[in-house]
Amino acid sequence: DAEITQSPRHKITETGRQVTLACHQTWNHNNMFWYRQDLGHGLRLIHYSYGVQDTNKGEVSDGYSVSRSNTEDLPLTLESAASSQTSVYFCASSPDNDIYEQYFGPGTRLTVT
Amino acid sequence: AQSVAQPEDQVNVAEGNPLTVKCTYSVSGNPYLFWYVQYPNRGLQFLLKYITGDNLVKGSYGFEAEFNKSQTSFHLKKPSALVSDSALYFCAVRTFNAGNNRKLIWGLGTSLAVNP
Repeated sequence: DAEITQSPRHKITETGRQVTLACHQTWNHNNMFWYRQDLGHGLRLIHYSYGVQDTNKGEVSDGYSVSRSNTEDLPLTLESAASSQTSVYFCASSPDNDIYEQYFGPGTRLTVT
Repeated sequence: AQSVAQPEDQVNVAEGNPLTVKCTYSVSGNPYLFWYVQYPNRGLQFLLKYITGDNLVKGSYGFEAEFNKSQTSFHLKKPSALVSDSALYFCAVRTFNAGNNRKLIWGLGTSLAVNP
């Protein structure tokens, strides 16, 4: 069965370190999204991609970057982790014919100490 | 500004009773509206959507939602709640921006607790 996976599921890192969160989907979806979920803020879009070599900034993109070299993967990199980036991160994907019906991964809980 | 609001942080209902989770929106143009559910320690799952047509849309797990254009609302409903419906529910609306921009604006979520 097709799925979307994230790794690691839990990560503790120190301030200033570079961290990469992986997202891999086997739906063959062109559209992929990264969100962070924080209490009181709901879901906020970090970056998104509509296809290979395409990346776009979301509403909270500062301090984050993504790259899309193939259809299946959209890794999220925190260039220099900050305590404000402690959060739960969700990756999602969707097909071109129903872009708003997004399939979410299980999430990565990141703690920056 | 385009926005979506879920006015209740938490809703409590008894098992077997009807439930309603409220959502209101503000967008330019015709809205595309969505409900998602998040069970504990899981990612979000799509429940249902309104694009056009019948104002009452049916979705997964017996849920339905009613689109009301005059009240700019899209409330989620279920005739008889189950304990297993206890979860976090998110309303979302498509944005209308210049260019090829296909994003969702999310509400803050409503925690539904169904008591046995």
